[in-house]
Amino acid sequence: SQTIHQWPATLVQPVGSPLSLECTVEGTSNPNLYWYRQAAGRGLQLLFYSVGIGQISSEVPQNLSASRPQDRQFILSSKKLLLSDSGFYLCAWSAPGTGVATQYFGPGTRLLVL
Amino acid sequence: AQSVTQLDSQVPVFEEAPVELRCNYSSSVSVYLFWYVQYPNQGLQLLLKYLSGSTLVKGINGFEAEFNKSQTSFHLRKPSVHISDTAEYFCAVSEAAGGTSYGKLTFGQGTILTVHP
Repeated sequence: SQTIHQWPATLVQPVGSPLSLECTVEGTSNPNLYWYRQAAGRGLQLLFYSVGIGQISSEVPQNLSASRPQDRQFILSSKKLLLSDSGFYLCAWSAPGTGVATQYFGPGTRLLVL
Repeated sequence: AQSVTQLDSQVPVFEEAPVELRCNYSSSVSVYLFWYVQYPNQGLQLLLKYLSGSTLVKGINGFEAEFNKSQTSFHLRKPSVHISDTAEYFCAVSEAAGGTSYGKLTFGQGTILTVHP
């Protein structure tokens, strides 16, 4: 069966510091991968998605970037965090291709920028 | 592009009462529809999905939803709720198969269901 992991679970970072959040998927090959942010009192906003190694699409211009160095690894980064980057970050995967794309979510990383 | 509107931000109900969480969507293409549940400080768990076929879909934990194309709605229902159903519920839509959106989901703002004893 497939499993999705995210770490760390929680993170407190000062403004201006760098960020690296990691997501890995087990039990599937060439998944579509997604990063979402959930800010307090708001819905989920799609930040990035990837259909393959090195292929990243950005949905919202912002202070963040994403990379996919390996087939089942998806990384969310920032060079300098802003207060507005605080939120709950969720990684998700779906089966490859453009067909039915039920997404399965990881446990999330709660980021607090102070 | 698609959009999703969840008409109620909060729904309080008593235990064993029925509940309906409302969701309307807008899209110029055929869509798939989903309901996810999120318990505090956890990721999202898929409750149910509509892809095609019967417009009444059943999911986990006794939930069901009905797809109404003419009203562009996908309301979630449960005939008798439990305390453990207290959570936030998200309706989501994606472009149907064959599109180029790679299954990207557009979410509603969420509905917080609180079940009181």
